[in-house]
Amino acid sequence: EPEVTQTPSHQVTQMGQEVILRCVPISNHLYFYWYRQILGQKVEFLVSFYNNEISEKSEIFDDQFSVERPDGSNFTLKIRSTKLEDSAMYFCASSEAGQGASTDTQYFGPGTRLTVL
Amino acid sequence: AQSVTQLGSHVSVSEGALVLLRCNYSSSVPPYLFWYVQYPNQGLQLLLKYTSAATLVKGINGFEAEFKKSETSFHLTKPSAHMSDAAEYFCAVRSYGGSQGNLIFGKGTKLSVKP
Repeated sequence: EPEVTQTPSHQVTQMGQEVILRCVPISNHLYFYWYRQILGQKVEFLVSFYNNEISEKSEIFDDQFSVERPDGSNFTLKIRSTKLEDSAMYFCASSEAGQGASTDTQYFGPGTRLTVL
Repeated sequence: AQSVTQLGSHVSVSEGALVLLRCNYSSSVPPYLFWYVQYPNQGLQLLLKYTSAATLVKGINGFEAEFKKSETSFHLTKPSAHMSDAAEYFCAVRSYGGSQGNLIFGKGTKLSVKP
């Protein structure tokens, strides 16, 4: 069964460093998402992406964050200068269609645990 | 704005007992509601979703949920727990207003199943 994959499973970085989290969505999916979960808190929406541009973003997704689909298969989340409060589990998701369609279910990857020291 | 609240961060049941995981929602418009499950070291997997058709929704692995508008609830149940049901369960509501409808999650409920 097709699945969303994410690498690495765990990333440790120093405060102020740049990190890139990688995701490979399901191959025929066109809509892509990033969510994060700080330990003990809710899973929060960060950004959605369609047709090579951001569709929506939350207040969390400030100028330190960026997303890219560099090669038609990968979907990346970059944090330019990490802060302690960026430590969280980051989930990538993809869906075949957008809201309202019968195939709009979002499929999630296993997550990348980011630890900022 | 939409939101969900999951009552109980940790629920423990015996194998064979009823599973009941509670979720209440807040929405100014008819909501689309979801239950996801996360097994250790895996991603979030969709269990079931409510999209304004039947109020009783059946999902995978014997789970079902009932949408009750009067109680603003969407509780998840399973008649008989199995050891393999031990996982974390997330209730979510789809946000309105955006073009893709991002999901708004509850804090999650960790289900333990005792032999």
